[in-house]
Formats: sequence, C-alpha cells, structure tokens
Amino acid sequence: GESVGLHLPTLSVQEGDNSIINCAYSNSASDYFIWYKQESGKGPQFIIDIRSNMDKRQGQRVTVLLNKTVKHLSLQIAATQPGDSAVYFCAELYTGGFKTIFGAGTRLFVKA
Amino acid sequence: NAGVMQNPRHLVRRRGQEARLRCSPMKGHSHVYWYRQLPEEGLKFMVYLQKENIIDESGMPKERFSAEFPKEGPSILRIQQVVRGDSAAYFCASSQEGTPRDEQYFGPGTRLTVT
Repeated sequence: GESVGLHLPTLSVQEGDNSIINCAYSNSASDYFIWYKQESGKGPQFIIDIRSNMDKRQGQRVTVLLNKTVKHLSLQIAATQPGDSAVYFCAELYTGGFKTIFGAGTRLFVKA
Repeated sequence: NAGVMQNPRHLVRRRGQEARLRCSPMKGHSHVYWYRQLPEEGLKFMVYLQKENIIDESGMPKERFSAEFPKEGPSILRIQQVVRGDSAAYFCASSQEGTPRDEQYFGPGTRLTVT
C-alpha cells in the first residue's frame, strides 16, 4: 500500500537551535520528494525538493537529505525561528504518474 | 498575481445535502489537483484535472464524488448526499505545466463540516 510516514509527530525546539524532521517512505519507485510547510488555516507551502539521483540539497536555511538505501528523508532547518512553527509534511512522487503521496506530518514548536 | 483561490472557506452541510467546492487556479495555470485532509493527517490525493479533462481520479471515491474543470470558470468538486465522514479540509492546487515535478501552488482550503 501507499505510505509515507514520519518518526516523530511533534518536535519542540528552542529558538536559534537547528531542527531535524524525519520521514520514511515506502515506495521504492518514488523518484522525487518534496517538503511542505503548513501553517494553521492555510494550504501547504513548498519548501524544498530533491530528486532521487541526489542525496542532499540545500536551500536558504533548509537542507534535505535523502537516503534511498533505507528509504529515509530528512529536513534540517538551521537557526530555527518562531516563524518556522508549523506542520511539516514530506511527500513522494513517482514521476511516471501524477499522484503526490503525503506523509502524516510533524508539528514543529519553536520556543522563544 | 493572485494565488489559488478557493471558496467558500467554510461550508456547513447537513447529512444528505450536496456540497460544491470551487477552486480558481493561478493565472496561467491549466492544471488542477484536489486533495482531502482529515484533522491531524496528511493530504490525500483525490483527482487531477486539466481543462475539460480528468487525467487521474484514482483517489476519488467511486460514489457521490465528482470533479470538473470546465473551459471557462473554476474547477468544482461536488459531493452529493454528504455524510459525517466527508467532514474534512479540501485543498486544491494548481500548476502551470502539469508535469509531475512542476510545482503545485495550494489554495487556502475549504473546511467542510457535515452535521
């Protein structure tokens, strides 16, 4: 069956610390992965993506790591800020199709 | 450039009524995706449409649910004879190219409550 799951449902970090959010995916055929941020009452917002031929990709304050051997994805947020408080979803895609599969989400709390 | 617009933002229906959810994609986008999100869960893909065509409806329940994206006007997700289990947030997203890696831009969602 389809499943993209997360190891931790909630994560609480101190402002200024780094955050790491983890995700496990189950479809070996997935070749494209995305992290989304969803604030309360809003739709998901694209953060960063990575293709399966890469194992690391960096953006502004965010880094995504992909380990295909164990089908694991992580999002690292550097110097976490209060504005980073949200629910974070990983999503997987097999680019031979059109269906994006979302994980259950991790809620990130940033303590000032 | 306005983002993806959805209306209504909140919709309350009694069991057995019909719910119509509208989605206006971003300007220049001709590809629309609908997702359903239950509380504290991730989004579940329902259907992917291009103008006047349903491309992939594998996530849509076979009964009571339908979607359209006419040549003119917004995309509509229609739920007939709603039941309490239909209560959820429904999000649409649009993209420009429709290729799997093309970024999808999400609307703010419609929160459907069935009483």
